[in-house]
Amino acid sequence: ETGVTQTPRHLVMGMTNKKSLKCEQHLGHNAMYWYKQSAKKPLELMFVYSLEERVENNSVPSRFSPECPNSSHLFLHLHTLQPEDSALYLCASSQIRDYSYEQYFGPGTRLTVT
Amino acid sequence: QKEVEQDPGPLSVPEGAIVSLNCTYSNSAFQYFMWYRQYSRKGPELLMYTYSSGNKEDGRFTAQVDKSSKYISLFIRDSQPSDSATYLCAMGSGGYNKLIFGAGTRLAVHP
Repeated sequence: ETGVTQTPRHLVMGMTNKKSLKCEQHLGHNAMYWYKQSAKKPLELMFVYSLEERVENNSVPSRFSPECPNSSHLFLHLHTLQPEDSALYLCASSQIRDYSYEQYFGPGTRLTVT
Repeated sequence: QKEVEQDPGPLSVPEGAIVSLNCTYSNSAFQYFMWYRQYSRKGPELLMYTYSSGNKEDGRFTAQVDKSSKYISLFIRDSQPSDSATYLCAMGSGGYNKLIFGAGTRLAVHP
C-alpha cells in the first residue's frame, strides 16, 4: 500500500442513496485529486485541490460533490447517481514544487450503482 | 485526436523477454513523463518519472522520452510473471501537477 488510503474499498449503492468516499494522504503533500477509472478508458480527472482550495472541476455532474477539510483529507460525496457512474474512483496526492510532478495513488473505491 | 495514445494490447510475452511499451502524444508543452503500473483491483503505482527528454534506468526498467517525435517508451528487461499488469503512461505540464493518462496497455508474462 502507498501513503494514500481510501475507504471504503467497495461500495454498492442504489440510485437514490447518499454516500461518501474518503481519502487520506500521509505524505505531507499539498495537492489532492479525484479520478474516475472506467474499463478500457483513460483515467478521467474529476477534481483538483491545492492547499485545500478547489482549483479544477472538469465538468463533473453536480451529483458528485468534493470536500477538502484539510490538506490530508479529501471526500467525495455522492447522491442520486446513475448506473453509468459505476467505476473505480481513485484518489491521488502530489507535492507541487519545481521539477516535481509525481502523483501517488490510493487503492481506489470500486463503486457499483444499482 | 486524443492527447495521449496508447495501444491497449493485450501484450503476451514469455518469461525473460524484453518488453517495449509505448505512448505517443500531441501536446508539445508536456515536460513531465511518467509510467505507472496497475495490478488488478489496485491503484496505479508510480514506476518511472522523467523530466524533459532522455533516458532513465531503474533496475530492469528503462524509460525513454523523445520529445522531437512526441514518443515515450518503457522497456522491461528479463520480464517476470510478476510484471503482468496494466501499464499507464502519463504526462503533464503547467500548474497543479495535472496529468493526462493513456488508456493503459495490459501485459501478460507467462512462465
